[in-house]
Amino acid sequence: AQSVTQLDSQVPVFEEAPVELRCNYSSSVSVYLFWYVQYPNQGLQLLLKYLSGSTLVKGINGFEAEFNKSQTSFHLRKPSVHISDTAEYFCAVSDRGGGFKTIFGAGTRLFVKA
Amino acid sequence: GAVVSQHPSWVICKSGTSVKIECRSLDFQATTMFWYRQFPKQSLMLMATSNEGSKATYEQGVEKDKFLINHASLTLSTLTVTSAHPEDSSFYICSARGQVAGGPDFNEQFFGPGTRLTVL
Repeated sequence: AQSVTQLDSQVPVFEEAPVELRCNYSSSVSVYLFWYVQYPNQGLQLLLKYLSGSTLVKGINGFEAEFNKSQTSFHLRKPSVHISDTAEYFCAVSDRGGGFKTIFGAGTRLFVKA
Repeated sequence: GAVVSQHPSWVICKSGTSVKIECRSLDFQATTMFWYRQFPKQSLMLMATSNEGSKATYEQGVEKDKFLINHASLTLSTLTVTSAHPEDSSFYICSARGQVAGGPDFNEQFFGPGTRLTVL
C-alpha cells in the first residue's frame, strides 16, 4: 500500500517570492508521482508527473518538482509565485502495478499575498 | 489532453431520494474509472475502482449498497447515491484511465470537473 504525506497544510507567501511545497511518500513498490492543483469549486488539474527518467520534472505554470528516491520525496517548487497561484495543491502517488490506484495527500493550501 | 466530463455539475435533492452522477471519457476509451469523494477543505478519498463490464471494487468503509457504480461501456461510468442523506453531501469526482491517441505510452488518469451533491 502507498501513502502520501504533505508536510504543510498551509503555506502563505508573498507575491514574487519562491515557494516549496513538500511531499513525502511511502510504498513497497515502484510508483508514479503527481502534483495536482485545485481551484475553489473545481476539479483537479495536473501540474506535473514523474514516470521515469530525469528526476527533475517541469510542469505547467512554471512549477517543477524533483524526485528523490533515497528520501522518498517529491517536493514542488516555483521560483516566483503570482496571486493567481493561490489554490490547493495535492501530491499523489500511483502504483506501477495493474491497479494504478492513485492515493492523494491531504493537500497544501498555497496563499499568495500581495 | 483528454477530457472527462461529469453530469450534473451540481445537484440538490431531498433526503431519501436517489441521485445518479455520470462520468464520461469524451475522446478516449477508459479501461478503468475511479470515483472519489471530497469533503470541504479535505483531500480526495478513493471510493471505488471500476473496470468496464465487471463489478466495482470498493475501498474499505464504503457501502457498496449505498454507492452503486456501473461501468457499462468504455466511455461511461455512473455513480448512484441511493437513499441519500445530508451526510452524503459532498463533492464527487471521477477519473478515467486509458491511453490517449498520440499520448505517451502510459495509461494516464484524467479527472472530471466534479459534482457537488447537496442533500436537504
